Amino acid sequence: DAGVTQSPTHLIKTRGQQVTLRCSPKSGHDTVSWYQQALGQGPQFIFQYYEEEERQRGNFPDRFSGHQFPNYSSELNVNALLLGDSALYLCATGGGGGIQYFGAGTRLSVL
Amino acid sequence: QKEVEQDPGPLSVPEGAIVSLNCTYSNSAFQYFMWYRQYSRKGPELLMYTYSSGNKEDGRFTAQVDKSSKYISLFIRDSQPSDSATYLCAMETGANSKLTFGKGITLSVRP
Repeated sequence: DAGVTQSPTHLIKTRGQQVTLRCSPKSGHDTVSWYQQALGQGPQFIFQYYEEEERQRGNFPDRFSGHQFPNYSSELNVNALLLGDSALYLCATGGGGGIQYFGAGTRLSVL
Repeated sequence: QKEVEQDPGPLSVPEGAIVSLNCTYSNSAFQYFMWYRQYSRKGPELLMYTYSSGNKEDGRFTAQVDKSSKYISLFIRDSQPSDSATYLCAMETGANSKLTFGKGITLSVRP
């Protein structure tokens, strides 16, 4: 049983560019959440998708957007990248059991 | 005041020591409590998941929740060098909802 998979593992972008990160959920999971983890901090909630709709959103600007596909996989898009967007981006998926599992993350560096 | 406060670190202990990690919270709506372990440059790994006041034990790990005091703890018995990692407490108001994390504490277990 594959766990939560994220791609790519590492990205380097320059200010102003756009980036797309991808997440495949654990088998049987239909809820996908995205988190941003800055160095030395706990993860911060960006948003959550369920049934292809954004169900909850954290305190992040509209530059952060997402999508969930019919197979429950998800994408996180960030436009107009800023230096402060450099972080580890984590995907967490959950199912009927209520427990959320995390992927290994995508490390984004903005230069 | 942050919703979740975690004791600051870092923490360094000798092998075999008992470790106590603590978090306090202010939001009475939190119903589910988790401890995640995160190794360097990896995603958080779920260690313990509880939803009621009291103790829950799993091997060398014990999670304690006191809802009346809004306080949770994780105890690690007979600590091992492999326990060296960052420990994050997390909470949610409902199953599969937004997780609110503490800042995390870095533990180092010396051989």
